Amino acid sequence: GIQVEQSPPDLILQEGANSTLRCNFSDSVNNLQWFHQNPWGQLINLFYIPSGTKQNGRLSATTVATERYSLLYISSSQTTDSGVYFCAVGLTGANSKLTFGKGITLSVRP
Amino acid sequence: DTGVSQDPRHKITKRGQNVTFRCDPISEHNRLYWYRQTLGQGPEFLTYFQNEAQLEKSRLLSDRFSAERPKGSFSTLEIQRTEQGDSAMYLCASSLGLGQRDAYGYTFGSGTRLTVV
Repeated sequence: GIQVEQSPPDLILQEGANSTLRCNFSDSVNNLQWFHQNPWGQLINLFYIPSGTKQNGRLSATTVATERYSLLYISSSQTTDSGVYFCAVGLTGANSKLTFGKGITLSVRP
Repeated sequence: DTGVSQDPRHKITKRGQNVTFRCDPISEHNRLYWYRQTLGQGPEFLTYFQNEAQLEKSRLLSDRFSAERPKGSFSTLEIQRTEQGDSAMYLCASSLGLGQRDAYGYTFGSGTRLTVV
């Protein structure tokens, strides 16, 4: 099946710093989503971004489908950004089920 | 729109008992998914419904697991003869889907945490 690799596995930031989270995947996809799982376990959809660039406040994401990677940018990080960030991809024509990476654990310190 | 609701939030059961979880998706979403997440891992796909039709089941879903979505609304996931290895967070998500190849963002529920003792 499709492989999804996220890096780095862990990230510690000082409040106010910027960061880039990376997701590499092994096959063509028509569905790529970024999620934030907060410390209470709730998964929040950040972006649906199979290709191109999107921005939402301090967060932005870029997917280069032809090169099989996606980047999530967090600017001016806040303590509430802490948690686990998951990249998840879906194969073309596969009923939109998602394969998740192992996640990136982000800790933002005050 | 109250989002995706899952019930119960927590379930502790003895090994060998049957358990059933419920998921109420966003009302206009025709696609519904069940995932399972264990500690330190990303969610793993279990099964998928488009309206009332169960279109795909993962090999993770053994014969002890069954899911239904009567009338294309809420869904239930039943685990029979629970084992300690079934302990996990069971997540439900829903999304729109108009054609076979289109895809839209997921909305996840808060999950049901199952502990088998």
